[in-house]
Amino acid sequence: QVTLEESGPTLVKPTETLTLTCNFYGFSLITSGVGVGWIRQPPGKTLEWLSVIYWDDEKHYSPSLRSRLSIVKDTSKNQVVLSVTNVDPADTATYFCVYCDSLGPERTFEHWGHGILVTVSS
Amino acid sequence: EIVLTQSPGTLSVSPGERATLSCRASQTVTSNSIAWYQQKPGQAPRLFIYGASTRATAFPDRFWGSGSGTDFTLTINRLEPEDFAVYYCHYYTTSSFTFGPGTKVEVK
Repeated sequence: QVTLEESGPTLVKPTETLTLTCNFYGFSLITSGVGVGWIRQPPGKTLEWLSVIYWDDEKHYSPSLRSRLSIVKDTSKNQVVLSVTNVDPADTATYFCVYCDSLGPERTFEHWGHGILVTVSS
Repeated sequence: EIVLTQSPGTLSVSPGERATLSCRASQTVTSNSIAWYQQKPGQAPRLFIYGASTRATAFPDRFWGSGSGTDFTLTINRLEPEDFAVYYCHYYTTSSFTFGPGTKVEVK
């Protein structure tokens, strides 16, 4: 059974770097086609895709946030880490870790973590 | 970059009635790259339609996805109490993902 769990700080100060960790279970990030991504949702607003990393270490970022994002994986720990630099109150959101299989029928985010609410405030 | 718009923003429907939700893409997209998510308060979104019209396992058949080109539709027949939620359409490739602003389906 695929499960994902986000962890990290729930309060970050403006200009700091936000680092979020996704621990996942039930699959391996060395399996062809598999990817883990991040999506965020500001309170009361829609979903915004941030980044995805695939089994072959291919990485993709939201064009609007590319300069501030970095995603890495640690397959030995079953972890994916997202960093967001120079945060601003506009980065306040629930951050979701998500699973996709680019070779499966769905090919998009079919499994989601519960999400972690991150507030950016001084 | 593909932009998705959804209408209406809020849809008031009585239980047992039909709801029709629209999703429009800013340019032509392949049908197999459109999905729909359902989100209830305090929960993560749940994928239930992909490839524009394929319903995910265990999702009831009163949910129907259709459309092509730039216009896609989600139809919910015979609304049940558990169907009142926010619905997002979603465009996906392996390198780019976009969500619409959502349609809230509320009890009339």
